[in-house]
Amino acid sequence: DVKVTQSSRYLVKRTGEKVFLECVQDMDHENMFWYRQDPGLGLRLIYFSYDVKMKEKGDIPEGYSVSREKKERFSLILESASTNQTSMYLCASSSTGGYTEAFFGQGTRLTVV
Amino acid sequence: DQQVKQNSPSLSVQEGRISILNCDYTNSMFDYFLWYKKYPAEGPTFLISISSIKDKNEDGRFTVFLNKSAKHLSLHIVPSQPGDSAVYFCAGEKNTGIASKLTFGTGTRLQVTL
Repeated sequence: DVKVTQSSRYLVKRTGEKVFLECVQDMDHENMFWYRQDPGLGLRLIYFSYDVKMKEKGDIPEGYSVSREKKERFSLILESASTNQTSMYLCASSSTGGYTEAFFGQGTRLTVV
Repeated sequence: DQQVKQNSPSLSVQEGRISILNCDYTNSMFDYFLWYKKYPAEGPTFLISISSIKDKNEDGRFTVFLNKSAKHLSLHIVPSQPGDSAVYFCAGEKNTGIASKLTFGTGTRLQVTL
């Protein structure tokens, strides 16, 4: 059974903290993605990675960075958390080559107070 | 720039009847279109897809129709069941040569009533 696992289901952090969200996939996928989901805005792409140590900005990268040191792990970093980063964060992975669906993790609900 | 739009935030349908969820897009470069289903506190799960060169794809109770001239796609669920109640996202997929990127719509919340 394919799996994308996010390290936390719920997180509460203070404004200004550095926050790490971790994602691990066991499908040997080349591509990994970080999205955030907000009411009325759908899922918006923050960053994605197509290979180890390779990354590209998505549609809303401001205030975020990412790290991919190993193929199976993709981390999202909030350099200095702000209240407008309170959201549901979703990690996904997919393989390369032709059409392929993306598999999502269960999501991390982050609240910044 | 919202490349994929779902103009109906919610839809209520009686059990046993047809549910029709709509999606419009502006980017003609998408290679595939996908529908994902999302329950609260869970990640989205893939439902059905269609290639941009097709006009219909069917999988059990789910059928997706693509009208390229209108840049419109729709998901039909027949018959609708209470377990179908969820948020449905349509997405366009573009292979950039590096990775396949999904661009999502804003979602439609489907409520199937008894």
